[in-house]
Amino acid sequence: NAGVMQNPRHLVRRRGQEARLRCSPMKGHSHVYWYRQLPEEGLKFMVYLQKENIIDESGMPKERFSAEFPKEGPSILRIQQVVRGDSAAYFCASSPWRVQREGRGEQFFGPGTRLTVL
Amino acid sequence: GQQLNQSPQSMFIQEGEDVSMNCTSSSIFNTWLWYKQDPGEGPVLLIALYKAGELTSNGRLTAQFGITRKDSFLNISASIPSDVGIYFCAGLRIYSGAGSYQLTFGKGTKLSVIP
Repeated sequence: NAGVMQNPRHLVRRRGQEARLRCSPMKGHSHVYWYRQLPEEGLKFMVYLQKENIIDESGMPKERFSAEFPKEGPSILRIQQVVRGDSAAYFCASSPWRVQREGRGEQFFGPGTRLTVL
Repeated sequence: GQQLNQSPQSMFIQEGEDVSMNCTSSSIFNTWLWYKQDPGEGPVLLIALYKAGELTSNGRLTAQFGITRKDSFLNISASIPSDVGIYFCAGLRIYSGAGSYQLTFGKGTKLSVIP
């Protein structure tokens, strides 16, 4: 019964390169969320997706950041032309549809991808 | 935007002692969640609270959803070394119509247990 999986666990990029972060939700979960965590801080919401749909991207920067959750395959968070300020831990969480329907809100987190921009 | 004030920021306690931490907000939340995060790992869900006034236990952990829906506390009884970590509160506010389920997190309470 695998949990939320994220890869890579660590990613190093130079300024101006692209970063692709992958997330496979728990089996049976159709809702995916991405959060960003800076050192000594709590997690900050970025985007909420269902299969093939972006539901809420109010926490995601308007430029350089994009997210998708295709019909097949993992959810991808893509950061283009990375800058040093993008260095952070990025966490993916998932939840099953029934939790949303019942308005309960539990989200289960993956181990995160730690992005370092040189 | 919404903010959660979590306190204390850090705690140093002796093994066997009880611990209490809390979160307050100026906004009402539908759900309160408590997570624990170990270094280099993702948050692990400890307790979920759904109703104002609800008191829920999970082993040595007890959490309550404040009656005003603007606060929550977490207690850990008889602490042990493996309780070390960062504890986060998180609130869920459901925006009707928008269908959004974003969590708002506190800044965390860093717990150290002295054997």
